[in-house]
Amino acid sequence: NAGVTQTPKFRILKIGQSMTLQCTQDMNHNYMYWYRQDPGMGLKLIYYSVGAGITDKGEVPNGYNVSRSTTEDFPLRLELAAPSQTSVYFCASSLWPGTSGTSSYNEQFFGPGTRLTVL
Amino acid sequence: GESVGLHLPTLSVQEGDNSIINCAYSNSASDYFIWYKQESGKGPQFIIDIRSNMDKRQGQRVTVLLNKTVKHLSLQIAATQPGDSAVYFCADRYTGNQFYFGTGTSLTVIP
Repeated sequence: NAGVTQTPKFRILKIGQSMTLQCTQDMNHNYMYWYRQDPGMGLKLIYYSVGAGITDKGEVPNGYNVSRSTTEDFPLRLELAAPSQTSVYFCASSLWPGTSGTSSYNEQFFGPGTRLTVL
Repeated sequence: GESVGLHLPTLSVQEGDNSIINCAYSNSASDYFIWYKQESGKGPQFIIDIRSNMDKRQGQRVTVLLNKTVKHLSLQIAATQPGDSAVYFCADRYTGNQFYFGTGTSLTVIP
């Protein structure tokens, strides 16, 4: 299994440009998440999905959009990029959202991250 | 919103000593907690979890303690090794499927 893969690894955008961050998992996980991590900070949840066709906002959704047409893919779309969106973006997936009595079912597996700079 | 914070932003320990990393959370409705390890340039990696109906859980060289009375969580690492050097985050869950992460503690192991 490749686990969770993200592309691209790095990207520089100009203010106002748009882009899509790709995320794919091959573990047949229902739950997928997008987080951003600013320098020296913890992760903040942007959006999450509980299955194909179902998405919901997290803590910091403004300026982003997501879709989940398949179990495997959960792309994150940035429209009209702003300097405040400069961050490292992590995608994660899990079998359960923390409600299983089996720890391994709740574990969130993270991708390697995408470092985005908006100038 | 949720406030999950760590008491110390940095911690240095001698190789072989035990490490203790602390975390405070603010919402008494939090029902599930996770500790993550993040090495430089990588995504977080699950270490250990604990449910709110427990006060202690042990893994390989790691122990998590939960004190719901004072809303405090700690991660103990036994016989700390250089490979344990990383940033450690606690995260909690209290609304649906959302997890809230703390700021992180940077652990440095001195050989």
